Amino acid sequence: NAGVTQTPKFQVLKTGQSMTLQCAQDMNHNSMYWYRQDPGMGLRLIYYSASEGTTDKGEVPNGYNVSRLNKREFSLRLESAAPSQTSVYFCASSEVRGRGDIQYFGAGTRLSVL
Amino acid sequence: GESVGLHLPTLSVQEGDNSIINCAYSNSASDYFIWYKQESGKGPQFIIDIRSNMDKRQGQRVTVLLNKTVKHLSLQIAATQPGDSAVYFCAENIFGGGFKTIFGAGTRLFVKA
Repeated sequence: NAGVTQTPKFQVLKTGQSMTLQCAQDMNHNSMYWYRQDPGMGLRLIYYSASEGTTDKGEVPNGYNVSRLNKREFSLRLESAAPSQTSVYFCASSEVRGRGDIQYFGAGTRLSVL
Repeated sequence: GESVGLHLPTLSVQEGDNSIINCAYSNSASDYFIWYKQESGKGPQFIIDIRSNMDKRQGQRVTVLLNKTVKHLSLQIAATQPGDSAVYFCAENIFGGGFKTIFGAGTRLFVKA
């Protein structure tokens, strides 16, 4: 049972380069999320998708775009990377079933922008 | 405004002792509260949740207490083990046409052998 799988695990970019972070879940969840986590800080929501075909901005969407490709996959794209986007990125999925919004996270992508 | 915060950023305990991690919240309309554990180099992992109409919920070696009067949440870990060393986040779920989740900044727990 893989849960939430993120690729790549590590990435180094130069300022201005673009890349796409991939996320897939095998739990048949409707909702998927992208967060960033900076040192000593909590999780900040970038974008989320409440269901297939919908996406919405979170707390820190600037500089990012997302695509909900199908129910399983939710990708995050950096069109022109900036040093301020150096962070650890987490994808999560959830399904509300009478116990609130329990989210299941991937292992993260560690991104450095030089 | 809406916020979930923690009283202590770090906590150091002796192996075998009990640990108590605290969390304050400000939104009285929150429906659920969830604790997550994040080990080094990994993503957060669900530990236990509690609904707003409950005061206490127990799991395996963990207990969550909710005090709605003072808007306070705590996670108690019994007989703390080295494997409990991690960052612990509380999260607040507010339902309004869909759940909104607010994460706290986290508390780092160090377990001394």
